[in-house]
Amino acid sequence: DAGITQSPRYKITETGRQVTLMCHQTWSHSYMFWYRQDLGHGLRLIYYSAAADITDKGEVPDGYVVSRSKTENFPLTLESATRSQTSVYFCASSATGTNTEAFFGQGTRLTVV
Amino acid sequence: GESVGLHLPTLSVQEGDNSIINCAYSNSASDYFIWYKQESGKGPQFIIDIRSNMDKRQGQRVTVLLNKTVKHLSLQIAATQPGDSAVYFCAPRQAGFQKLVFGTGTRLLVSP
Repeated sequence: DAGITQSPRYKITETGRQVTLMCHQTWSHSYMFWYRQDLGHGLRLIYYSAAADITDKGEVPDGYVVSRSKTENFPLTLESATRSQTSVYFCASSATGTNTEAFFGQGTRLTVV
Repeated sequence: GESVGLHLPTLSVQEGDNSIINCAYSNSASDYFIWYKQESGKGPQFIIDIRSNMDKRQGQRVTVLLNKTVKHLSLQIAATQPGDSAVYFCAPRQAGFQKLVFGTGTRLLVSP
């Protein structure tokens, strides 16, 4: 199906474990983003990528790692999950251009216990 | 860095009323602005956008107004419907950057 998809939709993990959230888009958009959404904080940018093999930090990158070996995939890894990383994570993509909106996935609800 | 604020965290209206959601931004270099709607359990969805060389843009039942002098945006929804109930975010983007900065959001509650 065309669009942007995230997996899993829900994940429960234990403190200290590594967990990877997946994001896949079918539009061949150059840009991809990871946001986290917590109550009272809106959406905060974790990492973004301008193209394959090009990534950069956002507002809250600590504790996260990203990679982008292929244009269509942008996985987000929590190397050692902490309770403060309990959140809803959204992936987004956008085309290159002056006035291009970002399209969001459905989100992954991650709970760290 | 950019900060984005909203004047009213929750807005309650009656069905059929017009709704106005406000947004202030701090970065005068922002040149493109997007409004998103987020329904419960879903990702944000694009509603309407506006470039900095415009002060008004209209869509279907929605109008966005931009006042660059005071760095303020508003989203007007005409004849608000229960299906409009959601959280609304404004997201400015700085010229030359693809990143969007989101505010806290405004929750719109529409009563039948």
